[in-house]
Amino acid sequence: GDSVTQMEGPVTLSEEAFLTINCTYTATGYPSLFWYVQYPGEGLQLLLKATKADDKGSNKGFEATYRKETTSFHLEKGSVQVSDSAVYFCALRNYGGSQGNLIFGKGTKLSVKP
Amino acid sequence: NAGVTQTPKFQVLKTGQSMTLQCAQDMNHEYMSWYRQDPGMGLRLIHYSVGAGITDQGEVPNGYNVSRSTTEDFPLRLLSAAPSQTSVYFCASSYNAQGFGNTIYFGEGSWLTVV
Repeated sequence: GDSVTQMEGPVTLSEEAFLTINCTYTATGYPSLFWYVQYPGEGLQLLLKATKADDKGSNKGFEATYRKETTSFHLEKGSVQVSDSAVYFCALRNYGGSQGNLIFGKGTKLSVKP
Repeated sequence: NAGVTQTPKFQVLKTGQSMTLQCAQDMNHEYMSWYRQDPGMGLRLIHYSVGAGITDQGEVPNGYNVSRSTTEDFPLRLLSAAPSQTSVYFCASSYNAQGFGNTIYFGEGSWLTVV
């Protein structure tokens, strides 16, 4: 079945450092890919998404490019802030393999120190 | 904009008790689902629905029951609570399941502790 693998955390960075969180997927067909963010004590918010190969999703300085050849959707940000401290989830949605349900990675906790 | 509304936000249950987590959306979404979040496990799908009167099981359905009598509401019932059901529960919805590029919106979560 479909699956998502993302790098395990926690990840601790200093403010203004470069961030990469790796995400790879296994899926039949052409899934859509998502990054969700969960701030402490809150629910999940959509951060960005991409629906086809070579699409780049971007939001709040974060970017991720849908790479079908490497089945990857890595999250990047050039300069993180303390306010970016949260748990980040990579996810896919694929009608054929998962009946349109989101399949999540296990999450990566990011802590940004001032 | 109400979006996806879950109640209660916090609940403590005794083993063997039953309860219902409520979920409502005001976006006329066909697709709704319930996930549970556990440390180190990410989010796992419990049950989902692609429209009123239609429900199906996800990855971890045991001990839970759902129904979808209206488009707006998708309650999750714990039949006989067990400590293993201590978790954070999220309800989610989207326009439909077929358009899998559609964004899935989440509620704020319900923190459940079973003692």
